[in-house]
Amino acid sequence: GQQVMQIPQYQHVQEGEDFTTYCNSSTTLSNIQWYKQRPGGHPVFLIQLVKSGEVKKQKRLTFQFGEAKKNSSLHITATQTTDVGTYFCASEAGAGNMLTFGGGTRLMVKP
Amino acid sequence: ETGVTQSPTHLIKTRGQQVTLRCSSQSGHNTVSWYQQALGQGPQFIFQYYREEENGRGNFPPRFSGLQFPNYSSELNVNALELDDSALYLCASSTPGQGPTEAFFGQGTRLTVV
Repeated sequence: GQQVMQIPQYQHVQEGEDFTTYCNSSTTLSNIQWYKQRPGGHPVFLIQLVKSGEVKKQKRLTFQFGEAKKNSSLHITATQTTDVGTYFCASEAGAGNMLTFGGGTRLMVKP
Repeated sequence: ETGVTQSPTHLIKTRGQQVTLRCSSQSGHNTVSWYQQALGQGPQFIFQYYREEENGRGNFPPRFSGLQFPNYSSELNVNALELDDSALYLCASSTPGQGPTEAFFGQGTRLTVV
């Protein structure tokens, strides 16, 4: 079945540094969604990308979907302590929003 | 807040027992999906219900079963609990559209099997 791999598993950064997490698949993805899960919380939807080469921005967050629709990235500029959490990519397998999640990247920010 | 509520928030069960977890979907959402999230891992899709019918299933054994009610709320039942069933169980509600749709997750039920 469809699998999405995410790297790195963990990332420690100093507040103010940038952060990037990558999501890769061996098969073409119909779409990619990104979620953030705070420690002890539940996944919260951030964005979805559908088109090849698509780039979307939300304040300090930049999301990209690869030209071949096999990879995606989330980049955070100038991290803040509020960015702490685990970032997951997910792709819809089949119809009806059945999501396959990556393993997540846990971001820790030192103040 | 997403409007998706799950109960209970925490639960401790003994191996071999049965458990029922509940989820109320966001108003207007007719699709509920259940996920299992082991510690330090991403959520794994268990199954999905759409208009009271199972609409898709992940790689979980038959002892994981579910229901959806006319008001679109849902239950996840797990029989013959095993230690490895200890996890955070998440439900997510959505409304199918013409493209991918955002999933709204509840806060989860933390199940511990001892």
